[in-house]
Amino acid sequence: GAGVSQSPRYKVAKRGQDVALRCDPISGHVSLFWYQQALGQGPEFLTYFQNEAQLDKSGLPSDRFFAERPEGSVSTLKIQRTQQEDSAVYLCASSAQAYNSPLHFGNGTRLTVT
Amino acid sequence: AQTVTQSQPEMSVQEAETVTLSCTYDTSENNYYLFWYKQPPSRQMILVIRQEAYKQQNATENRFSVNFQKAAKSFSLKISDSQLGDTAMYFCALCGGNTPLVFGKGTRLSVIA
Repeated sequence: GAGVSQSPRYKVAKRGQDVALRCDPISGHVSLFWYQQALGQGPEFLTYFQNEAQLDKSGLPSDRFFAERPEGSVSTLKIQRTQQEDSAVYLCASSAQAYNSPLHFGNGTRLTVT
Repeated sequence: AQTVTQSQPEMSVQEAETVTLSCTYDTSENNYYLFWYKQPPSRQMILVIRQEAYKQQNATENRFSVNFQKAAKSFSLKISDSQLGDTAMYFCALCGGNTPLVFGKGTRLSVIA
């Protein structure tokens, strides 16, 4: 596809369940970012990959959050033992180069933890 | 630390009129980039305009232009001839050095027919 694709678009999880969110970046994009956007707020940085290397995970809120990009393309954000405060939209973005390149965002996954 | 502040949670404008969204920022970097993103209800963040800090000339993109005041650390967005399709959340964002993009809290813009 031409843009960044994220799935699922909506996810409802019961508290304590594990979830996996998928991001398919634009083909050939080196950099991939995950952001968390709470209701009515701006996106907050979670983690950054350059190819398959996770260069920055300083934004991950707890050790329940884990991200991977094993082949330098598709990325998965996993949240273990979900809590209500994890409810948010999770945005994925990719760019052709590093930090200063414009980011291309997907439509996000809205996670609701009940 | 880098911060971005948007002091207008909500704004409205009549169709065909002009509106200005405010943004201030703070960074210790000399070389940085500023962005405005639009987020419609579909949730996808769309790049509106980009400004390199080392360029004195204000960026323009069709009906969208910025007023970049480097000394004041201000980066406002002007939308001319507002259209109904401009209704969205607008986020100001900053990227400096080897750090990820930092966003403000956003301004909800409503264009009224």
